[in-house]
Amino acid sequence: NAGVTQTPKFQVLKTGQSMTLQCAQDMNHNSMYWYRQDPGMGLRLIYYSASEGTTDKGEVPNGYNVSRLNKREFSLRLESAAPSQTSVYFCASSDQILEGAGELFFGEGSRLTVL
Amino acid sequence: QQQVKQSPQSLIVQKGGISIINCAYENTAFDYFPWYQQFPGKGPALLIAIRPDVSEKKEGRFTISFNKSAKQFSLHIMDSQPGDSATYFCAASTTGQNFVFGPGTRLSVLP
Repeated sequence: NAGVTQTPKFQVLKTGQSMTLQCAQDMNHNSMYWYRQDPGMGLRLIYYSASEGTTDKGEVPNGYNVSRLNKREFSLRLESAAPSQTSVYFCASSDQILEGAGELFFGEGSRLTVL
Repeated sequence: QQQVKQSPQSLIVQKGGISIINCAYENTAFDYFPWYQQFPGKGPALLIAIRPDVSEKKEGRFTISFNKSAKQFSLHIMDSQPGDSATYFCAASTTGQNFVFGPGTRLSVLP
């Protein structure tokens, strides 16, 4: 049981380049999330998808787009990367978070550096 | 976005000691308070969680203490071990809303 799988694990981009981070979960969860983690800032929600076919902005959505391709897959796209987007990105999935409970299951992260 | 404050930013404890991490929140509508543990190079994983209808929850060496009136909650790690060295995040949520995470505490347990 793989859980949440993210690709790539590492990526270096130049300013202005675009890329897509891929995420897949095999736990049949309805909800999926993209977070970024920066030192001293904790985990900040970029976008989430409460169910297949829906996406919503989180705390820090600017500069990102997402696609919920199907129930398993949720991708994050940077259209024109900026140095401020250098971060570690985590995909997560869950059930029941919006019911005020439940557990987030995280992938192992994608470390992105924008030069 | 409602804020969750967390302290200390980093903590060094001797093996066998007690590690204490504190969090405070503002939104009184929060009704679920989990703690996540993250090892280097890994994603966070749920460690323990509490609801405000109880003042304490214990799972093995890990205990959450909750003070509703003060809007504070804390994680206690008893008999701390080097394997507990990790970053710990507190979080809070309410029905219909996603989690808000604290900034994290890096714990180092010295052998």
